Amino acid sequence: DTAVSQTPKYLVTQMGNDKSIKCEQNLGHDTMYWYKQDSKKFLKIMFSYNNKELIINETVPNRFSPKSPDKAHLNLHINSLELGDSAVYFCASSRRTGGNQETQYFGPGTRLLVL
Amino acid sequence: GDSVTQMEGPVTLSEEAFLTINCTYTATGYPSLFWYVQYPGEGLQLLLKATKADDKGSNKGFEATYRKETTSFHLEKGSVQVSDSAVYFCALMDLSGGYNKLIFGAGTRLAVHP
Repeated sequence: DTAVSQTPKYLVTQMGNDKSIKCEQNLGHDTMYWYKQDSKKFLKIMFSYNNKELIINETVPNRFSPKSPDKAHLNLHINSLELGDSAVYFCASSRRTGGNQETQYFGPGTRLLVL
Repeated sequence: GDSVTQMEGPVTLSEEAFLTINCTYTATGYPSLFWYVQYPGEGLQLLLKATKADDKGSNKGFEATYRKETTSFHLEKGSVQVSDSAVYFCALMDLSGGYNKLIFGAGTRLAVHP
């Protein structure tokens, strides 16, 4: 009965590889997000999708390509991985976007290490 | 743009001590404010929230009051436990552009020892 789930939990890979992280929510929410947490624990939004439509893109390199096949899924594909991509990536969802009171619910995170 | 400033950690306390973690914000309008907690090796969990001035959010013995006049949302707990050891993030809801995004503070690590 996990609300927001991510796979894999850990990902270790070599520089230059391409990898994907998957996210699913079973809350019936319309809006999903990707956040990046760097080594100093600083959290910053990367993308947001509402009903499968991209609505926020925070000047993330185009090596990062989110894909939302349906409202319940938001996957993150990363091409040509770089050392600086090592971080924890969190998926989140909220009922909708545009409302000041919407709570975002976070997944457990995917710890990516690029060697 | 909107921003959140938290007190730097780590904060180290003995069990049953009083906790305050300061959080101030800069924003246009009146955003909702949140505290999230991240236990070691885990994801983010919503701890509490407040959606308008003078609202008090509370959960698990933690409290925070939305103070518009001081643009603050300090987290408090009367008696901490070892199990409260975690990183605490203050955040505001940014609605610029018409879409929600959370702006987080840098996080404050709390270590409680017996």
